[in-house]
Amino acid sequence: GQNIDQPTEMTATEGAIVQINCTYQTSGFNGLFWYQQHAGEAPTFLSYNVLDGLEEKGRFSSFLSRSKGYSYLLLKELQMKDSASYLCAPWGNNNDMRFGAGTRLTVKP
Amino acid sequence: DAGVIQSPRHEVTEMGQEVTLRCKPISGHDYLFWYRQTMMRGLELLIYFNNNVPIDDSGMPEDRFSAKMPNASFSTLKIQPSEPRDSAVYFCASSHSHRGPYGYTFGSGTRLTVV
Repeated sequence: GQNIDQPTEMTATEGAIVQINCTYQTSGFNGLFWYQQHAGEAPTFLSYNVLDGLEEKGRFSSFLSRSKGYSYLLLKELQMKDSASYLCAPWGNNNDMRFGAGTRLTVKP
Repeated sequence: DAGVIQSPRHEVTEMGQEVTLRCKPISGHDYLFWYRQTMMRGLELLIYFNNNVPIDDSGMPEDRFSAKMPNASFSTLKIQPSEPRDSAVYFCASSHSHRGPYGYTFGSGTRLTVV
C-alpha cells in the first residue's frame, strides 16, 4: 500500500518563501517527484529526488529524507503565477507513480 | 515532439452511453498510464502499460472500465455504460523506462461529463 500526506491548502504572500511538506509510506522506494498543476491544466514535472538532501533548481528546491519518509518543496521569491496545486509523488517498487491529494497554494499580493 | 496527445478535450454524454477516450504517447516512451482526477479523490492511477502490455489495472474502478493498447502509439480507455459518477478529468501520461529525473509527461486531459 501507499500513503501520502500533504497539507490541503496554503496561502503565502508574493515575494515570500513557502515550504510544502509531504510524508509518505510506500512499498519500496526509488525516488520522489514533485509536480505542479495549474487549475484546468495537466500536471507538469518540477523536481525529482532519489538521494537524501536538497536539490536546488532556481526558485524551487526539493528536499528528501528517505529514512523519515519525508520530503518538502521550497518555493522562494513567490510570484503570483506560482498559485497552483503541488503534488507529491513517491515512486515505489511497482514501477508506477501515485500522487498525493496535492497542496493548493494561493499567492496573494 | 508534439507531446502526449489526448482526444477529445471535452466530452459530454448521457448516462448509459459508451465513452471512448484516446491517447497517443510520446514516440519512444514504453510506459503509458491512465489517471482520473476529481476534487474528492485527487489524481488516481487507473491502469498502466509497459510495452503495450497491461501491468497493473487494480485502479480500474469496475468492470464498466476497460483499457487497451493495440500498439506503441495508441491507447484507449472505454467506459460502458457511463454513469454520472464517472464525471472527471482523465489524463494519459507516458514515460521512458529510464525516466530517472524526468518523470511522466501528461497529456492535456479529457474532461468527461456524464449527465
